[in-house]
Formats: sequence, structure tokens, C-alpha cells
Amino acid sequence: QQPVQSPQAVILREGEDAVINCSSSKALYSVHWYRQKHGEAPVFLMILLKGGEQKGHDKISASFNEKKQQSSLYLTASQLSYSGTYFCGPEPAAAGNKLTFGGGTRVLVKP
Amino acid sequence: SQTIHQWPATLVQPVGSPLSLECTVEGTSNPNLYWYRQAAGRGLQLLFYSVGIGQISSEVPQNLSASRPQDRQFILSSKKLLLSDSGFYLCAWRSQGTGELFFGEGSRLTVL
Repeated sequence: QQPVQSPQAVILREGEDAVINCSSSKALYSVHWYRQKHGEAPVFLMILLKGGEQKGHDKISASFNEKKQQSSLYLTASQLSYSGTYFCGPEPAAAGNKLTFGGGTRVLVKP
Repeated sequence: SQTIHQWPATLVQPVGSPLSLECTVEGTSNPNLYWYRQAAGRGLQLLFYSVGIGQISSEVPQNLSASRPQDRQFILSSKKLLLSDSGFYLCAWRSQGTGELFFGEGSRLTVL
């Protein structure tokens, strides 16, 4: 089963914040986050392991709650370069290496 | 450093024709390899993944198949393409160290 991402799309003004949520029906070992620009391949942002850690990449950070099987990606003080489609990829604890992705969240940051 | 190559980059094929997409990785050994498909405006669908030569896990039955004849080579095939096979096909390898996926540049397939 694919993970569920929300919202499906968000439009921001430069400097605004946004949160993207990702939930899975399975117990997780880790969660990956990637960003894809139009017409390009996805690019890795960060990976979060069990332990509820938070990580950051520039002003993009994420959290992972393995008990709830959820992860959230936080876009803080968004920049134009943040535009793209964000994908979460939860890695099931019982099926390591099987990386499925959610449907993606389209983010458009306007000046 | 590690690199991943995919080809062809673009192809247009008629319905019912065969398909072969190739992916090779350089600079690493025994990588985990993946094939994903992305329909226009949609998410990433996992098609196959492989943890070693000859070891293929299939997530999508239908008319696609994958093979790993060499450690760093991953091939996606079809004997007869369907219209629904159109999409952006992405090969990826996974770093054993960091766990992240590195994607190739993709192969854009249009089935007419």
C-alpha cells in the first residue's frame, strides 16, 4: 500500500511556511524525503530513522513519529527554489529496501 | 564517485512493440537497484527492486519484467507495450552507507 501524503498541493508566497504530512499503514524503519523539479529526477533531501529524530536541510526540516507511523516535512521561510513536488518514502520495518512513495505534494512558491 | 546512467532518454513506441530500458551504475559494488514509473503528473510507482544479481522483487505484475544480468546492470523489459505503459521511468541505486536513493536522469516513454 502506498503511503498517504497531504496536502496534494500547496501555493505559498516567498517567506511563508508549510507542512507536508506523510502517513503509512505499516510499522516503519525509516522515512525518506525527496524533491522533484519538473521534468527532472527526484533529489534526496533527508532520511529519518527510528527514534523520532528531526533533521534539517537548509530551512527544510522533518520529523518522524514511528509510533504513529507518520512523518512531516516543514518548509520554513520558503524560497522560490523550494517549488517542486515533494515525495515521502516510508521504509517498512518488515520489508527493508522496499521503498514505495506517496503520491507527492506539489509546492509552488510565488514571489 | 558513483554515477548512474539510463538509456534511452526518450522513446516513442507503438502499442504491442517490445521495450528494453537499461540502467548501469558505476563506482559502487552490489548496489540495491530500483525501477520506478511516473505517469504524467502522478507519483512514483515502484515496479521492481533488486538486492543482488538475479534477485528481483516485483511490485507490478502485468506486462513488465526486470533482469539483473550483472552486478551493476538493471534492465526493464516488456514483450508487448500497452498505452498505459507511457510514463517517465526512473532507475535508482541505494547507498549502503547513507541509505539514500540516487536516481538516474530517467527515460521518457510514449506509447502510441
